[in-house]
Amino acid sequence: GPKVLQIPSHQIIDMGQMVTLNCDPVSNHLYFYWYKQILGQQMEFLVNFYNGKVMEKSKLFKDQFSVERPDGSYFTLKIQPTALEDSAVYFCASSLVRVNTEVFFGKGTRLTVV
Amino acid sequence: AQKVTQTQTSISVVEKTTVTMDCVYETRDSSYFLFWYKQTASGEIVFLIRQDSYKKENATVGHYSLNFQKPKSSIGLIITATQIEDSAVYFCAMSPTNYNQGKLIFGQGTKLSIKP
Repeated sequence: GPKVLQIPSHQIIDMGQMVTLNCDPVSNHLYFYWYKQILGQQMEFLVNFYNGKVMEKSKLFKDQFSVERPDGSYFTLKIQPTALEDSAVYFCASSLVRVNTEVFFGKGTRLTVV
Repeated sequence: AQKVTQTQTSISVVEKTTVTMDCVYETRDSSYFLFWYKQTASGEIVFLIRQDSYKKENATVGHYSLNFQKPKSSIGLIITATQIEDSAVYFCAMSPTNYNQGKLIFGQGTKLSIKP
């Protein structure tokens, strides 16, 4: 079936540095999402993105976070600067339309901030 | 506040039996969607089944079915004839409005282990 690919699967970064998480969504999908999962807890919605704009974001989407998808390439989540509490697994997801549709998830990028 | 709660941390059953996983939710929305996903050992998150809040009949897909009890804000997942490969973490989720279905509120997950 359709796949959402996330690169890399694991990234370790020093606190205060910038990190970019990459997501290759399903090719014809138009809506993109990021979720955060702290170890042992549930996935939590961060943001969704459509037509070059953030549609909605949660309180977890701090000012240090940004998303973009330049020219139909990777959908990215950038954290600058990183903090220890940003350590988590970040899941990218995409869907073709906004409602009455299946949302496809990637396998996640485990981010460790040291 | 909107919330999804799965109280069963883990369940273990013997292969070929039926298992039920519980999920309760809180929402003030009159229309919403409820979902079940599973996360495999490899990390893959797979959509299983969905219930639309306005539908009274329980959804069924393959060997997955739902027990939707709207007055109790409950959406249980039933897996019949379980197989070893059903071992995974199962997440219940809710989409609180019908305009942005990708904004999901997830439960904590239930780890299901199927024994031979």
